[in-house]
Amino acid sequence: GENVEQHPSTLSVQEGDSAVIKCTYSDSASNYFPWYKQELGKGPQLIIDIRSNVGEKKDQRIAVTLNKTAKHFSLHITETQPEDSAVYFCAARIYNQGGKLIFGQGTELSVKP
Amino acid sequence: DGGITQSPKYLFRKEGQNVTLSCEQNLNHDAMYWYRQDPGQGLRLIYYSQIVNDFQKGDIAEGYSVSREKKESFPLTVTSAQKNPTAFYLCASTKDGTSHYGYTFGSGTRLTVV
Repeated sequence: GENVEQHPSTLSVQEGDSAVIKCTYSDSASNYFPWYKQELGKGPQLIIDIRSNVGEKKDQRIAVTLNKTAKHFSLHITETQPEDSAVYFCAARIYNQGGKLIFGQGTELSVKP
Repeated sequence: DGGITQSPKYLFRKEGQNVTLSCEQNLNHDAMYWYRQDPGQGLRLIYYSQIVNDFQKGDIAEGYSVSREKKESFPLTVTSAQKNPTAFYLCASTKDGTSHYGYTFGSGTRLTVV
């Protein structure tokens, strides 16, 4: 079945450094790839997304890249700040399956001041 | 303000008891979803609905039931057949099931078996 693998499971960086989280998806019919940030005890919030016809998208300190051939996509956070500390999830939407998302296992990012 | 509301925030269930988790949205979204979150396992899909009076099983539907009688509401019942119900439950919605729109999530319900 469809699967999304996410790495690393934990990531610790110094404030100001960059953080990169990588995901791999299994179904080549996937066409939409959102990233979510979840703070403790709260629901996930969409932070950036990318469609399969785009290779890269940037929003201030956050960027996402997509390699359709390799079925990889990555989240890049530059100039990290302590408030970036949270759990980040990648996801992939399978074409024509009711909009359901398959989520990665999550990455716990810790930004040390 | 438009949003998606889950209640209650915390819920305790006794063995053999059915409990219902509420999910209401005022975003005029057609599609709604229920996910279960366990530590280290990401989010797993329980049920989803693309339109009123229609819903489909997700990957872990056993022991759960849903209804979609109104566009705004998608309640989830955790039945006594669910052997390990302790988890964080998340409801989400999106404009429809065919377009490239991200989900809006509720703030979750933490269910504990006592």
